Amino acid sequence: GENVEQHPSTLSVQEGDSAVIKCTYSDSASNYFPWYKQELGKRPQLIIDIRSNVGEKKDQRIAVTLNKTAKHFSLHITETQPEDSAVYFCAASSLEGYGGATNKLIFGTGTLLAVQP
Amino acid sequence: SAVISQKPSRDICQRGTSLTIQCQVDSQVTMMFWYRQQPGQSLTLIATANQGSEATYESGFVIDKFPISRPNLTFSTLTVSNMSPEDSSIYLCSVVWGRNQPQHFGDGTRLSIL
Repeated sequence: GENVEQHPSTLSVQEGDSAVIKCTYSDSASNYFPWYKQELGKRPQLIIDIRSNVGEKKDQRIAVTLNKTAKHFSLHITETQPEDSAVYFCAASSLEGYGGATNKLIFGTGTLLAVQP
Repeated sequence: SAVISQKPSRDICQRGTSLTIQCQVDSQVTMMFWYRQQPGQSLTLIATANQGSEATYESGFVIDKFPISRPNLTFSTLTVSNMSPEDSSIYLCSVVWGRNQPQHFGDGTRLSIL
């Protein structure tokens, strides 16, 4: 079945630095890749997603890149701030039937990001 | 923005008992899912809750242990049956509001079994 690997498991950066989290997926049929941020004791919140018909997507300080050939996708956070500290999960899904994120999400193992002030 | 409500938010239960978790959304959704997040771990899909029919379970999860109902387009329940300490987890529902829309999660139910 589909497997998603995520690295690193922990990441500590200084405020203002950039952070990069990488994921690799196994199922070549995967074509939708969301990223969720989960603060301690809170729900996972969607922060950005990308579909396989594009290679990069940006939203202010957050960007996601996708390399379909290598089955890699990455989250890039620039100018990190203490409020970026959280666990970040990547996920992969195959668009079937209804389309969108309606098929099951396979999650990576998570990255604990700590932004030091 | 649309609201996803889960009840209870947390509970402490005795082993061997069952608990039903509710997920209510304030507008009709196309799909609903149930996930489990064990302490300090990632999210694992339990099943897709199908409106008006039996849920679709993932490998390792069975209906007898995790019966799911979805009687309409805004409500679903997950029951954790015959609980053991290994069932101590956060249980989350997620929903999709329309075609090509992403999944959004409820706040989760933190379940502890003694």
